[in-house]
Amino acid sequence: KAGVTQTPRYLIKTRGQQVTLSCSPISGHRSVSWYQQTPGQGLQFLFEYFSETQRNKGNFPGRFSGRQFSNSRSEMNVSTLELGDSALYLCASSLDGPLHFGNGTRLTVT
Amino acid sequence: QQQVKQSPQSLIVQKGGISIINCAYENTAFDYFPWYQQFPGKGPALLIAIRPDVSEKKEGRFTISFNKSAKQFSLHIMDSQPGDSATYFCAASMWTNAGKSTFGDGTTLTVKP
Repeated sequence: KAGVTQTPRYLIKTRGQQVTLSCSPISGHRSVSWYQQTPGQGLQFLFEYFSETQRNKGNFPGRFSGRQFSNSRSEMNVSTLELGDSALYLCASSLDGPLHFGNGTRLTVT
Repeated sequence: QQQVKQSPQSLIVQKGGISIINCAYENTAFDYFPWYQQFPGKGPALLIAIRPDVSEKKEGRFTISFNKSAKQFSLHIMDSQPGDSATYFCAASMWTNAGKSTFGDGTTLTVKP
């Protein structure tokens, strides 16, 4: 069974731009979660989608948004990028319990 | 605030030694406590997990000890190997809501040959 796939692996953007990251979950997993990983803050929960609906939301500003499609694939969008948004963005899919992570998208904002 | 506190931040052990990482949680509604292992350039991968109906779970060289009354759990790596060198994260959540997990800050383990 294929794992969680995230694209692209690397992104370089300029402050003020917007970016869209993509995640394909494991087949059959309807829950997709997004996490931001930085050296100083660890893994911070962004939001979770389940059957195309946002089920949970973390403490991030409205510039961070996401959506889930009928095939469970998910995208997250960050608008008006700030330098502090530079991070590894991880997507994870699950049934109940264990999270299955992708290898992330490394976003650098200059 | 629903925090998970993890210690130590970094750990160096000799090959064959025991590595111990500790975590403490606050939310008594949590009933799922996994440990994830992350290598550079990779996403975290589930290592071992425990539910509060047992106080200990062992899988090979990896053991979780769980103390419900103290709201603490720990990871023990026996006979540590250089290949175990990685960053370890504890996490806590509700089993039915694991998509919203709270993670510890991570422990960087280095096993010296």
